[in-house]
Amino acid sequence: SYVLTQPPSVSVAPGQTARFRCEGFNIGFKNVHWYQQRPGQAPVLVVHDGVDRPSGIPDRIFGSTSGNAATLTILRAEDGDEADYFCQVWDSDSENVVFGGGTKLTVL
Amino acid sequence: QVQLQQWGAGLLKPSDTLSLTCAVYGGTFSDHYWNWIRQTPGKGLEWIGEIRHTGTTAYNPSLKSRVTMSVDSSNRQFSLRLRSVTAADTAVYYCAQGGTHYEFESWGQGTLVSVPS
Repeated sequence: SYVLTQPPSVSVAPGQTARFRCEGFNIGFKNVHWYQQRPGQAPVLVVHDGVDRPSGIPDRIFGSTSGNAATLTILRAEDGDEADYFCQVWDSDSENVVFGGGTKLTVL
Repeated sequence: QVQLQQWGAGLLKPSDTLSLTCAVYGGTFSDHYWNWIRQTPGKGLEWIGEIRHTGTTAYNPSLKSRVTMSVDSSNRQFSLRLRSVTAADTAVYYCAQGGTHYEFESWGQGTLVSVPS
């Protein structure tokens, strides 16, 4: 079955750039979606189809994909960005939705 | 903006049937796919399945034998039933609005379902 791999944690200082990597075979050919989940809350879609932002998501949050990796980038990190970030795709071979294990962002 | 509100029993015994319902407020009910997703500390997020307003369903292959989803389009609600639960089914269950590429655009508040072993 298809696997998405994310590092468990990322730490940045306030104002710095946070990058979240999501690795999967040929992920560049899939529609990759990213979610932010703050403690005790439901996930929130922040990027869909690799690069598109839903309304209300600031443009300092953006996504990219290339080859076997997708990346979510948050510019000028703030305390309020502390959360878990999950990547997700649809795997047509297994006819299943696949989530990465998530990366916890700490803003030091 | 679509809002989802879900409810159902939070404490079950092994072999019980889990039953949750989600109501949809706002948006066009027939335009979207209606999903159930669960989250555990150990396994993370897991898609359970989806249903359309027509009743067409698609389920996670690993849960397919125990899952039934239904829809009540006139009341803008959809439901999940998961049979023969065990402790492994203990999780927070979310309903979610799905898009054409399986992106989950809006989520319910989540329901913690516990199945003590």
